[in-house]
Amino acid sequence: DTGVSQDPRHKITKRGQNVTFRCDPISEHNRLYWYRQTLGQGPEFLTYFQNEAQLEKSRLLSDRFSAERPKGSFSTLEIQRTEQGDSAMYLCASSAGTGNTEAFFGQGTRLTVV
Amino acid sequence: AQSVTQPDIHITVSEGASLELRCNYSYGATPYLFWYVQSPGQGLQLLLKYFSGDTLVQGIKGFEAEFKRSQSSFNLRKPSVHWSDAAEYFCARGGAGNMLTFGGGTRLMVKP
Repeated sequence: DTGVSQDPRHKITKRGQNVTFRCDPISEHNRLYWYRQTLGQGPEFLTYFQNEAQLEKSRLLSDRFSAERPKGSFSTLEIQRTEQGDSAMYLCASSAGTGNTEAFFGQGTRLTVV
Repeated sequence: AQSVTQPDIHITVSEGASLELRCNYSYGATPYLFWYVQSPGQGLQLLLKYFSGDTLVQGIKGFEAEFKRSQSSFNLRKPSVHWSDAAEYFCARGGAGNMLTFGGGTRLMVKP
């Protein structure tokens, strides 16, 4: 399968724990995006990378959230000291080029903080 | 700030009936507009997009959408709905860096 892959698909964690999610974009897609989707809402943009450069991170929800894309391929999203309000679906997407082009989404990682 | 509004949270239509899902975007330069569909537990699949040119765009699965600048709208239509179309539909606007601003979504239910 050559689509966007996210791992894990589901994560249950206790409040206060750290979690890390991985996203593998479509091969050769230079842009990678992270979104958060809470129940009954549309996805909300968090951050994006062009190759290994993080070009926008002001929308990350707090300083507990961080993302990396060290070699311009896969990316990780980390949430430190999780809170119940972090429970959501975290979606990754990738696109090619530098303009407005189609973004392809992964199936998401559903996080439940208990 | 850019915004996208989908006024209808839920819509129920009978199978075979026509469908129109509404989407309004905030005023701005020529927008890049998208419609995505999301089935339960799945990611988002692009149905169609508008960047410029012909204001009536065709997409996959028999969907089309019409961009109306005067009404700041980009409504999604389908002439005959199938049971498999039941899903959540999101309208989105592209911005700098191809960041997408999504509407709140419309959940479509299809009656047999």
